[in-house]
Amino acid sequence: EPEVTQTPSHQVTQMGQEVILRCVPISNHLYFYWYRQILGQKVEFLVSFYNNEISEKSEIFDDQFSVERPDGSNFTLKIRSTKLEDSAMYFCASRMTRENNSPLHFGNGTRLTVT
Amino acid sequence: DAKTTQPNSMESNEEEPVHLPCNHSTISGTDYIHWYRQLPSQGPEYVIHGLTSNVNNRMASLAIAEDRKSSTLILHRATLRDAAVYYCILRPNAGGTSYGKLTFGQGTILTVHP
Repeated sequence: EPEVTQTPSHQVTQMGQEVILRCVPISNHLYFYWYRQILGQKVEFLVSFYNNEISEKSEIFDDQFSVERPDGSNFTLKIRSTKLEDSAMYFCASRMTRENNSPLHFGNGTRLTVT
Repeated sequence: DAKTTQPNSMESNEEEPVHLPCNHSTISGTDYIHWYRQLPSQGPEYVIHGLTSNVNNRMASLAIAEDRKSSTLILHRATLRDAAVYYCILRPNAGGTSYGKLTFGQGTILTVHP
């Protein structure tokens, strides 16, 4: 069964550094998302992306964050200047269609540790 | 978004059925009821969804109360691999790109004993 893949599985970076998290969504999916989960807390929505533009973003997704789909397969999340509080699991997700109930398919996440 | 309420945790024995409840008393007429689960160290995984009628798939069954103010996810024979956090989420039937925004609660931590 096709799946969403994320790399790296674990990223350690120093505060203030830029980091890029990478995702390969399922190939025929059109809608892409990033969520995050701080250790011990809820899974939180960050941003949704469709047709090469952001369609919705949360308050968490401030100017330090950006997303890009540089080619036909990758979907990236960039954090320009990481803070300690950015340490979390970051999950990429995709879904196929505009059908109201097409489920989201999640990757297994990238654990970001900011030191 | 309408709120859901789930027990913090539940326990089951392997091979036994598990009924995971969810209350959603403020559900609107167009909200779908979705269930996702999150296995340890993995991303959330879609389980099942429904609107008014009970639903079955290869993973689970979903029983929806007649007034739609509650629902129950049923795992017919729990296995050790079913140990996870189970999330009950309401999704408005709004269509479009915002429909992918899932609002996760704390969910129910299911422990399965061998």
